[in-house]
Amino acid sequence: KAGVTQTPRYLIKTRGQQVTLSCSPISGHRSVSWYQQTPGQGLQFLFEYFSETQRNKGNFPGRFSGRQFSNSRSEMNVSTLELGDSALYLCASSSTDGTDTQYFGPGTRLTVL
Amino acid sequence: QKEVEQDPGPLSVPEGAIVSLNCTYSNSAFQYFMWYRQYSRKGPELLMYTYSSGNKEDGRFTAQVDKSSKYISLFIRDSQPSDSATYLCATQSGGSNYKLTFGKGTLLTVNP
Repeated sequence: KAGVTQTPRYLIKTRGQQVTLSCSPISGHRSVSWYQQTPGQGLQFLFEYFSETQRNKGNFPGRFSGRQFSNSRSEMNVSTLELGDSALYLCASSSTDGTDTQYFGPGTRLTVL
Repeated sequence: QKEVEQDPGPLSVPEGAIVSLNCTYSNSAFQYFMWYRQYSRKGPELLMYTYSSGNKEDGRFTAQVDKSSKYISLFIRDSQPSDSATYLCATQSGGSNYKLTFGKGTLLTVNP
């Protein structure tokens, strides 16, 4: 099976812009989670989607949003970018078969100038 | 207090050494425990997954969970230069909550 894919892999934006990141889960996986990874804070949970519904949400401002499509692909959007949003954004998919094991994609490296 | 504490290292060992990596956690609700390995510029890769207390072995890797002391360990036997990476512990409360809570990671270097 193909792994989790994320596009784009690298992105450079300026303050105030918005950005959309995409994630395609492992085939058959219906849960998609998003994480932000920074050197200072480590990996932090953003939100999780299952069957197009957001089930869990982390402690991030409303500028961070996401959605999931009927084919389980997911997007996350960050509006009004700030310098502090520079990070590696990781997507993880889970099989929801009881093991709940999450498999990560390679991430999107976002740089905000 | 952070929910999951992990010594960031860095940790440097000679090839063939036994490596011990540790985390502590504070939330008694955590039921699932994982170790991920992350190479530079890559996403985390699942190494070990355990439920509740006990040991789990997979090749050169052994994961231990002691819920009474809220302590998680990963042991790497016969360490190899290819094991050089950042190791992240993670916990999850389970049920419909898919949120993983991570330690900050320990940077390990295995020297040939």
